[in-house]
Amino acid sequence: KAGVTQTPRYLIKTRGQQVTLSCSPISGHRSVSWYQQTPGQGLQFLFEYFSETQRNKGNFPGRFSGRQFSNSRSEMNVSTLELGDSALYLCASSSVPQSYNEQFFGPGTRLTVL
Amino acid sequence: AQSVTQLDSQVPVFEEAPVELRCNYSSSVSVYLFWYVQYPNQGLQLLLKYLSGSTLVESINGFEAEFNKSQTSFHLRKPSVHISDTAEYFCAVSEETDKLIFGTGTRLQVFP
Repeated sequence: KAGVTQTPRYLIKTRGQQVTLSCSPISGHRSVSWYQQTPGQGLQFLFEYFSETQRNKGNFPGRFSGRQFSNSRSEMNVSTLELGDSALYLCASSSVPQSYNEQFFGPGTRLTVL
Repeated sequence: AQSVTQLDSQVPVFEEAPVELRCNYSSSVSVYLFWYVQYPNQGLQLLLKYLSGSTLVESINGFEAEFNKSQTSFHLRKPSVHISDTAEYFCAVSEETDKLIFGTGTRLQVFP
């Protein structure tokens, strides 16, 4: 089985721009979660989608949004980028909602905001 | 609300020495507990998990963790580390039907 794929792997943007990141889960997985990883904060939960519905949301401003398509692929969008948004964005998938099931992580998208 | 504290941001250790990575959590209800490992330039991989039953859980590569409800801890241990164990280790907790919360990570550096 192919693993979780994320595109692009690297991205450089400037303040004020917006960005869309993509995540393709493992085939058959219906849950997709997004995390922001920074050196000081570790992994912070952004949101989880299950069967096209947002199931859970972390404490991030409304500039961060996401969606999930009928094929379980997910996108994350960040509008009006700030310098502090520079981070590694990780996507994880699982066959059922995340609370007790193993999450399979992709390699991440490294976003740099200049 | 649940939270996770990993007390050590970095743990340096010599090869073949024992190691313990500490994890404490805060929750008022039953929880599920996880340890994930992140090797350089890779995503996270599940190392081991506690859902219920025996409080001592083991991974296939020699790590073990013990769930201690009274101390709200889930420390990760290995009796003899290898160079290849050098990585960042994340403890995570979730309550039923809730989101997965990660600690800030512990960087294990194994020296020859």
